[in-house]
Amino acid sequence: AQSVSQHNHHVILSEAASLELGCNYSYGGTVNLFWYVQYPGQHLQLLLKYFSGDPLVKGIKGFEAEFIKSKFSFNLRKPSVQWSDTAEYFCAVTPDNTDKLIFGTGTRLQVFP
Amino acid sequence: NAGVTQTPKFQVLKTGQSMTLQCAQDMNHEYMSWYRQDPGMGLRLIHYSVGAGITDQGEVPNGYNVSRSTTEDFPLRLLSAAPSQTSVYFCASRGLAGGLETQYFGPGTRLLVL
Repeated sequence: AQSVSQHNHHVILSEAASLELGCNYSYGGTVNLFWYVQYPGQHLQLLLKYFSGDPLVKGIKGFEAEFIKSKFSFNLRKPSVQWSDTAEYFCAVTPDNTDKLIFGTGTRLQVFP
Repeated sequence: NAGVTQTPKFQVLKTGQSMTLQCAQDMNHEYMSWYRQDPGMGLRLIHYSVGAGITDQGEVPNGYNVSRSTTEDFPLRLLSAAPSQTSVYFCASRGLAGGLETQYFGPGTRLLVL
């Protein structure tokens, strides 16, 4: 079955630390890839997306993600986190021949001042 | 544009009661979907629709019904609520943003089934 794995369930960082959240998917064909963020008490917002082209994608708020096809990965990075980045982060995949958006289980990020 | 709207924001039901969660979008998107979000399980797709009159099941469709009579509206019905349906429900629609297909999410409905 198609699946999306986020191995980091809970990450705690201090402000200015670097962040990398892992995302792996099991689908072998062409995929579209997304990272969403959910701030406390709010709905999901799109951080960034990858459809084709340059595998290094830059999103909002200083986030970026790199698509590595050989590793079936789409890890999210930020060089220096802020307290306001405290949120839950979801990786999601749409296999190219389906209409479904499949989510990972999410990673809760806590940033302390 | 209001985007994707959902009502109600909160709801408490007793086991066996029925209710409809409303979802509407004003972006003329063909594709709409319903997800439930549970701790440690991410978002799971319940039902989706690729256009008016067309619906299909997602990962966890049991206990839920949908219909799509118009492009704008995509209600989710719980016929006989169960405690296992306590969750936060998100509706989403999908359309083009910057030339790429992107999902837009509503604010969510928090449902408690006693």
